[in-house]
Amino acid sequence: NAGVTQTPKFQVLKTGQSMTLQCAQDMNHNSMYWYRQDPGMGLRLIYYSASEGTTDKGEVPNGYNVSRLNKREFSLRLESAAPSQTSVYFCASSEAVGTGYQPQHFGDGTRLSIL
Amino acid sequence: QKEVEQNSGPLSVPEGAIASLNCTYSDRGSQSFFWYRQYSGKSPELIMSIYSNGDKEDGRFTAQLNKASQYVSLLIRDSQPSDSATYLCAIYYRGSYIPTFGRGTSLIVHP
Repeated sequence: NAGVTQTPKFQVLKTGQSMTLQCAQDMNHNSMYWYRQDPGMGLRLIYYSASEGTTDKGEVPNGYNVSRLNKREFSLRLESAAPSQTSVYFCASSEAVGTGYQPQHFGDGTRLSIL
Repeated sequence: QKEVEQNSGPLSVPEGAIASLNCTYSDRGSQSFFWYRQYSGKSPELIMSIYSNGDKEDGRFTAQLNKASQYVSLLIRDSQPSDSATYLCAIYYRGSYIPTFGRGTSLIVHP
């Protein structure tokens, strides 16, 4: 049982290049999330998908797009990478049970450097 | 604005001591509370969840929730150097699909 799988684990891009970060979960969760984490800034939500077929902006969506491909997969795309997007990116998933939400499960992260 | 506040630390404790980590939040309607541990260079991993007032114990870890005072704490008994990490508090506010994370408290357990 892999949990949340992110690819790639590391990537170096040049300014202006594009790329897609992949995320897949095998826990049958409805909700999936993309975060970035920078030193001293904590986790900041980029986009989330409450359920298959829906996506919404989080705190820092500019420069990113997402696709909820199916219930398992949620991808994050950088159309034109900028040095300010150098960060560690985490994908997470969770499920709602009754009136409350269950904890998020995180992938191992993608370390992205943009030169 | 709904916030989750944590002291950034670092909190330094000797091996074998009790480490106490605290988190305060702004909405009394919050329903789900979680503590994550994040080692340097790794992803957050869940260590405790708590949903109702009182204490919840799991091994060396105890989570304490006080909804009236709007705080949740994590106690680590018999702290070990391997407990050195950043501890993140996360809360689902009422009606939200999105957890609000604190910025984390850095814990250092020295031999």
